Amino acid sequence: EAGVTQFPSHSVIEKGQTVTLRCDPISGHDNLYWYRRVMGKEIKFLLHFVKESKQDESGMPNNRFLAERTGGTYSTLKVQPAELEDSGVYFCASSAGRGHPEQYFGPGTRLTVT
Amino acid sequence: AQSVAQPEDQVNVAEGNPLTVKCTYSVSGNPYLFWYVQYPNRGLQFLLKYITGDNLVKGSYGFEAEFNKSQTSFHLKKPSALVSDSALYFCAVREYGNKLVFGAGTILRVKS
Repeated sequence: EAGVTQFPSHSVIEKGQTVTLRCDPISGHDNLYWYRRVMGKEIKFLLHFVKESKQDESGMPNNRFLAERTGGTYSTLKVQPAELEDSGVYFCASSAGRGHPEQYFGPGTRLTVT
Repeated sequence: AQSVAQPEDQVNVAEGNPLTVKCTYSVSGNPYLFWYVQYPNRGLQFLLKYITGDNLVKGSYGFEAEFNKSQTSFHLKKPSALVSDSALYFCAVREYGNKLVFGAGTILRVKS
């Protein structure tokens, strides 16, 4: 069974540019989550999809961040325009749902905004 | 709000010795607790979880964790450490709505 995959693994962009991160969850997992770890601090929740619906987006820092999950499969997280403080590692995770609360994480995308 | 604390930034242990990585929690209601490990340049790997039932939970790679309600702790343990266990370990608790709240992480260094 393939795990959670993320693309790209690294991205270096200039302040003001746009970046789109992609996450492919484990096949059959309805729940998809985005987290990020900034500057070695705690891993923080960003948002949660159930299929294609946003269940909880309370962790999204501001309206420069837009997440989508069209068709309930893969998800994208767009940052537009990027700011220096957006640098960090963005993790995606998926879970099967009820009865299986454990989340399986992808390798992360390291975003550097210069 | 639910929270977890990992009081040690780093734990050093000799290969073959038992290891413990500490985690304490603060929750309302019954906690769902997790341990994850991150190896260099890798994502987080799920090790084990506590939902209910036996206080001693067994997980991957020979790790186990003991849920202690009176001490509000969920320490990660392994009877005999390996050099390959050296990594960054995160404790997490599930908050309302399924999101995970993580501790700051503990670096485990196992020396041969």
